[in-house]
Amino acid sequence: DADVTQTPRNRITKTGKRIMLECSQTKGHDRMYWYRQDPGLGLRLIYYSFDVKDINKGEISDGYSVSRQAQAKFSLSLESAIPNQTALYFCATSSNTEAFFGQGTRLTVV
Amino acid sequence: RKEVEQDPGPFNVPEGATVAFNCTYSNSASQSFFWYRQDCRKEPKLLMSVYSSGNEDGRFTAQLNRASQYISLLIRDSKLSDSATYLCVVNYGSARQLTFGSGTQLTVLP
Repeated sequence: DADVTQTPRNRITKTGKRIMLECSQTKGHDRMYWYRQDPGLGLRLIYYSFDVKDINKGEISDGYSVSRQAQAKFSLSLESAIPNQTALYFCATSSNTEAFFGQGTRLTVV
Repeated sequence: RKEVEQDPGPFNVPEGATVAFNCTYSNSASQSFFWYRQDCRKEPKLLMSVYSSGNEDGRFTAQLNRASQYISLLIRDSKLSDSATYLCVVNYGSARQLTFGSGTQLTVLP
């Protein structure tokens, strides 16, 4: 089983719809992250969490919200999806020395 | 100015060549440094950590220059399988969040 599991892996949704991307990890780490990746822009941090009660905005949090339901679970929501949120989304968890990524969710907003 | 900057490339090199990537970071409080490798449409994976004294792993050598705030990755005897995007990653500040460069694309040609 993967250390970090993201669901769904692919999703096409319509503009204005609410969508949730889910992430779970088996590493036992406190730190979890959501990134989006766009061609030529690399990985940009959306939100991060250092424990269940600690949620922080990243570089590009507008239009997104998160929920840390448990140490192992960190979900990302798009309350009203828009086409420029079409991207590849990665969840990650980290220790002091290494980050572990999920396989990514390819989201298309039409 | 971005917190972590990389030359996006692409670098196209023949098999057997030596290629070097640099990465600069803006926050002098940065604490730890890494190189990640990302294959097309896949999640990033740790290639190697970067230590102050420099470190080597087979054909790969990483170096850190704190005074000039840059890190480098040298790949010797390039293989076709080295073709990927290489991401510079910095862990900085008391919050210890990971900050990624936008990546450098390498293609090794036969």
